[in-house]
Amino acid sequence: GQQVMQIPQYQHVQEGEDFTTYCNSSTTLSNIQWYKQRPGGHPVFLIQLVKSGEVKKQKRLTFQFGEAKKNSSLHITATQTTDVGTYFCAADSGTYKYIFGTGTRLKVLA
Amino acid sequence: GAVVSQHPSRVICKSGTSVKIECRSLDFQATTMFWYRQFPKKSLMLMATSNEGSKATYEQGVEKDKFLINHASLTLSTLTVTSAHPEDSSFYICSARLSGGNTIYFGEGSWLTVV
Repeated sequence: GQQVMQIPQYQHVQEGEDFTTYCNSSTTLSNIQWYKQRPGGHPVFLIQLVKSGEVKKQKRLTFQFGEAKKNSSLHITATQTTDVGTYFCAADSGTYKYIFGTGTRLKVLA
Repeated sequence: GAVVSQHPSRVICKSGTSVKIECRSLDFQATTMFWYRQFPKKSLMLMATSNEGSKATYEQGVEKDKFLINHASLTLSTLTVTSAHPEDSSFYICSARLSGGNTIYFGEGSWLTVV
């Protein structure tokens, strides 16, 4: 079945450093979504990418969809302590069944 | 924007009992809803696809007799955990697909603790 892997699994950064998480699918995707989950909370929708090579920005967050629509990345510039949490990608192969990635847990050290 | 509500948000039940979790689309119709579960510090695992008016489609390894899913209307899907055991304790979250569209909305999840 479809597998969605994220790397790294964990990342500790100093406040102000950049952070990137990568999402890779074993199959070509229709679209991909990104979520952030704080400890003890539920996943919160961040963004959806649909087009090949698409790049979207939300303040310090930059999301990219690969040209082959099999991978994606989330980059955070100048991390802040409020960025702490686990970031998940969720991949759809066209059936609306979103398969969640393994997640990247980010810790930001003040 | 579209809202998906889950109820209860937290529930504690005794081993051997059954517990029902509701997933409602509050301002839109959803022919398809999805149920996920998440163990602590793990990712969300898709359990089943719930289609209005028909039987749910379960993912491999998910016991359909244990996790009963009913999607009786275009705005409500329910997940019933039958004969609950402590290992069923988990975070359960649903998502709903806007009918005729390609947008998915997630509920806020339900924390189940079986004691």
